[in-house]
Amino acid sequence: QVQLQESGPGLVKPSETLSLTCAVSGYSISSGYYWGWIRQPPGKGLEWIGSIYHSGSTYYNPSLKSRVTISVDTSKNQFSLKLTSVTAADTAVYYCARHFVAVTASSTNWFDPWGQGTLVTVSS
Amino acid sequence: QSVLTQPPSASGTPGQRVTISCSGSSSNIGSNTVNWYQQLPGTAPKLLIYSNNQRPSGVPDRFSGSKSGTSASLAISGLQSEDEAAYYCAAWDDSLNGPVFGGGTKLTVL
Repeated sequence: QVQLQESGPGLVKPSETLSLTCAVSGYSISSGYYWGWIRQPPGKGLEWIGSIYHSGSTYYNPSLKSRVTISVDTSKNQFSLKLTSVTAADTAVYYCARHFVAVTASSTNWFDPWGQGTLVTVSS
Repeated sequence: QSVLTQPPSASGTPGQRVTISCSGSSSNIGSNTVNWYQQLPGTAPKLLIYSNNQRPSGVPDRFSGSKSGTSASLAISGLQSEDEAAYYCAAWDDSLNGPVFGGGTKLTVL
């Protein structure tokens, strides 16, 4: 059974860098799939941040691309998110998830399973 | 403003059939497959429907998905109180080169 667990600081100061890690158990990241980050501001909807393959290939949301770096550590079976220059608008629950992606003439993708999420608040 | 458009709320009584719509464009729903996620209060989203109409193992057949043109729908038959949740549609967007979500529909079971 695949399980994902986010970890990292729950409070980040404005202008600083948000750093989170997602530990994967029950499945080897090197076996395939993309691995993604999604966030949800309090009381709002879901926003995809970006996804990474075990080889290091990435997709990023263009609206966040200039501030986001996603990396993978296959030796620890985990992947990480860094978001720079944060503001209050980056306050959200951050989820990690396994991301099936097939970009073809009719592209398909889905996130399954998801981690439980971690709330990150940006405040001084 | 979400790329995919959903009604903010929906409701039904136990046993009833309800549908939730999701409207997109030619760059997302019109050319790619649609997924639906269920988010129970205080929990992480869970994959409910993938590839327009496929149910992951363990999802009851009361839940079904369909797609036509640039729109998709989620139908829930035999509504139960435990179905009270937020439901999100999603699809790959060729312009964004990534997945996009709807704003979510909060389903209330009266």
